[in-house]
Amino acid sequence: AQSVTQLDSQVPVFEEAPVELRCNYSSSVSVYLFWYVQYPNQGLQLLLKYLSGSTLVESINGFEAEFNKSQTSFHLRKPSVHISDTAEYFCGRGSTLGRLYFGRGTQLTVWP
Amino acid sequence: GAGVSQSPSNKVTEKGKDVELRCDPISGHTALYWYRQSLGQGLEFLIYFQGNSAPDKSGLPSDRFSAERTGGSVSTLTIQRTQQEDSAVYLCASSFREGRDGYTFGSGTRLTVV
Repeated sequence: AQSVTQLDSQVPVFEEAPVELRCNYSSSVSVYLFWYVQYPNQGLQLLLKYLSGSTLVESINGFEAEFNKSQTSFHLRKPSVHISDTAEYFCGRGSTLGRLYFGRGTQLTVWP
Repeated sequence: GAGVSQSPSNKVTEKGKDVELRCDPISGHTALYWYRQSLGQGLEFLIYFQGNSAPDKSGLPSDRFSAERTGGSVSTLTIQRTQQEDSAVYLCASSFREGRDGYTFGSGTRLTVV
């Protein structure tokens, strides 16, 4: 079955520490991968996406994710987090069949 | 429009009543999705429309839920005989070209069944 697994439901870190939010997806011939962020009481915003080409994708606010086909992973990383990064993060995958699948989400909490 | 528009933003209804939630996708987006977000439950897929194809209804939790998309644009999600467990935020998203450019979400409708 096609699915997305986010391995951690909660990730607490201190400010300026590095963070990795893990995401694994079920294999498919053609797959598009996304990370969305949901700040408290707000809607989902696209953080970054992988369609093809370079396996490392970056967002404008310092996050990056690496597509690893052999490990079917798309982990999200940031070398130094800020309190403002506190949010829920959703990993998603699409395919040429169109349907979009999401993981259950990871709540990132950054402490001062 | 500039984004995905959902209405109403908040809806409080009595148990047993029917409700209709509306989604107006981005103009030109051929795909439209409905998701439900309950506290601690992540994003639950409900239904997916792609162009003129038959919708993927596999995520609808019961026959009380239905959705339609008129003219390939606006979609309405209808919940009949609402129950308290239907309380959630209902999110709509749309995309172009099977989502290669990403999926744009609306702000959602917060449904509370009392």
